[in-house]
Amino acid sequence: NAGVTQTPKFRVLKTGQSMTLLCAQDMNHEYMYWYRQDPGMGLRLIHYSVGEGTTAKGEVPDGYNVSRLKKQNFLLGLESAAPSQTSVYFCASRKEIMGLGNEQFFGPGTRLTVL
Amino acid sequence: AQKVTQAQTEISVVEKEDVTLDCVYETRDTTYYLFWYKQPPSGELVFLIRRNSFDEQNEISGRYSWNFQKSTSSFNFTITASQVVDSAVYFCALSEAEELQGGSEKLVFGKGTKLTVNP
Repeated sequence: NAGVTQTPKFRVLKTGQSMTLLCAQDMNHEYMYWYRQDPGMGLRLIHYSVGEGTTAKGEVPDGYNVSRLKKQNFLLGLESAAPSQTSVYFCASRKEIMGLGNEQFFGPGTRLTVL
Repeated sequence: AQKVTQAQTEISVVEKEDVTLDCVYETRDTTYYLFWYKQPPSGELVFLIRRNSFDEQNEISGRYSWNFQKSTSSFNFTITASQVVDSAVYFCALSEAEELQGGSEKLVFGKGTKLTVNP
């Protein structure tokens, strides 16, 4: 069981470039999330998905898009990267059993720098 | 709206000292869940504990213990006899029942407390 994996681990972009971050989980979890972590800010939710083919906005969605074409994958896209998007990005997944407050399992993170 | 406050930005202790990390939350819901996660220097996020709003029993796991008090909206975390390996950033997080019913179960995180345990 690999758990939650993220690709790539590191990336440097120039302003205006685009890229896609891939999150994959092998735990058959229904729910998946993308967070960003900035110094002194904790983790903030960008987008999330409650199932294959569905996505929704989180706290800080501007400048990002997501897709959940397959249950095991959750993609985060930056269409035109900006220096303000320099951050560490975490993906997480959660079991589908509702009402039980199940914990989220996190990937190792992707460190993105936008110059 | 839900909010989590970790007032201690950084704490530094000497090995074997006890240390308590504070977490205060705000929610209008009567049903909610509280979590603690650890982020060691390697960067990954490690789940430590989950507590629901109906269970105010304190919990102990080895050197770790958690004190949940609804009257003060606090969910504090104590490490007894701290060790260098406890050095990490610790996050407290909250999930409300409204979100649970909707299925999204979004977590709201505090800004974290960086704990440094010196030898």
